[in-house]
Amino acid sequence: SQELEQSPQSLIVQEGKNLTINCTSSKTLYGLYWYKQKYGEGLIFLMMLQKGGEEKSHEKITAKLDEKKQQSSLHITASQPSHAGIYLCGADKVLGSSNTGKLIFGQGTTLQVKP
Amino acid sequence: KAGVTQTPRYLIKTRGQQVTLSCSPISGHRSVSWYQQTPGQGLQFLFEYFSETQRNKGNFPGRFSGRQFSNSRSEMNVSTLELGDSALYLCASSYNGVSHEQYFGPGTRLTVT
Repeated sequence: SQELEQSPQSLIVQEGKNLTINCTSSKTLYGLYWYKQKYGEGLIFLMMLQKGGEEKSHEKITAKLDEKKQQSSLHITASQPSHAGIYLCGADKVLGSSNTGKLIFGQGTTLQVKP
Repeated sequence: KAGVTQTPRYLIKTRGQQVTLSCSPISGHRSVSWYQQTPGQGLQFLFEYFSETQRNKGNFPGRFSGRQFSNSRSEMNVSTLELGDSALYLCASSYNGVSHEQYFGPGTRLTVT
């Protein structure tokens, strides 16, 4: 069973619109990471969240981790065609340690931005 | 600094054959992790090598194996290929295995016919 659930699976938005992608875990997260992937390519690290209630922003992308550290959201403001791709949330598998070289991932959300 | 490189980028094999994929990490990185990405199962961890030793392993059959050389380059081998092994195989390197500090390569697209 998938330990990280992402929603929606896919999203088509008009350029300039805002959007939100969610990532939910049944267990407390001890490190939640957001990545972007162009189809058929490697992952690009976007942001890391570790503390409950934490919020980080980079350009027009904002990520939040809820207080219980079981849900994260990724929000894109005024979307652009360059935002198109697959967004994946990832988490450390092992409690209390991130030195494992191992991440578990959500299924991914495919974003299309129509000009 | 050169990024993570993977060779070959694309590969077509027949059921029953074996295949070897290569990953060259960023210079100075000692940890290499391998992941399999498929439309059905998503991105799944295969194994991690650190200083030539397998340190972590995911839930994959023994047909999937790997190794790491003294220069940190890593190879992944899949024996007796099955149709379900068709996937994008990604490797990621980091200095000491810290998960969020991994840099991902572009992947090898394996198609099994």
